[in-house]
Amino acid sequence: DTGVSQNPRHKITKRGQNVTFRCDPISEHNRLYWYRQTLGQGPEFLTYFQNEAQLEKSRLLSDRFSAERPKGSFSTLEIQRTEQGDSAMYLCASSLSRTGGDYGYTFGSGTRLTVV
Amino acid sequence: AQKITQTQPGMFVQEKEAVTLDCTYDTSDPSYGLFWYKQPSSGEMIFLIYQGSYDQQNATEGRYSLNFQKARKSANLVISASQLGDSAMYFCAMRETSYGNNRLAFGKGNQVVVIP
Repeated sequence: DTGVSQNPRHKITKRGQNVTFRCDPISEHNRLYWYRQTLGQGPEFLTYFQNEAQLEKSRLLSDRFSAERPKGSFSTLEIQRTEQGDSAMYLCASSLSRTGGDYGYTFGSGTRLTVV
Repeated sequence: AQKITQTQPGMFVQEKEAVTLDCTYDTSDPSYGLFWYKQPSSGEMIFLIYQGSYDQQNATEGRYSLNFQKARKSANLVISASQLGDSAMYFCAMRETSYGNNRLAFGKGNQVVVIP
């Protein structure tokens, strides 16, 4: 078990380009979450999956953002037509659901996006 | 409305001393969980400690303890015997669980610098 893995660690892109990030959760974890963290703030929830189903999306997730988790394993987060305001750390977390909720969230090291 | 409030400015702590990080929360859900995470400069969110709203005793994990005062809606983290490796940002987070919610709401964090 190598924990939650995120790639790339850093991404610099020009405004208007599309970017895609990948998250590989802990293998037995059925839930996967995406959060965004801007400078000086705590992480903000974007979306989460249970297995391959996307069960919840924040209103922060504009039409330019799309997330997938095919086959309930790894997940991708794509941002189309990037804007400078998209510059942030994108964090992925996974957990194993259990009766009463799941409190064992494990976070990855994040992908830091800079839009220039 | 802000669900988690962390308002302390950055803190300098002498090595081997204890430090208390304040966290207040706002919820009307009777069932919730409170978390503390550590985020070093590498960016990864490291889980430290968890307290459930129905737990009768304050949570402890090694050098970390949570001072849970339910009536005051306060969940302060105490780090005993500070080490240089404790220098990091610390985030308090809450999950409201009554309606199957699985998102974490984070505060803005507390910066801790441990000095030798």
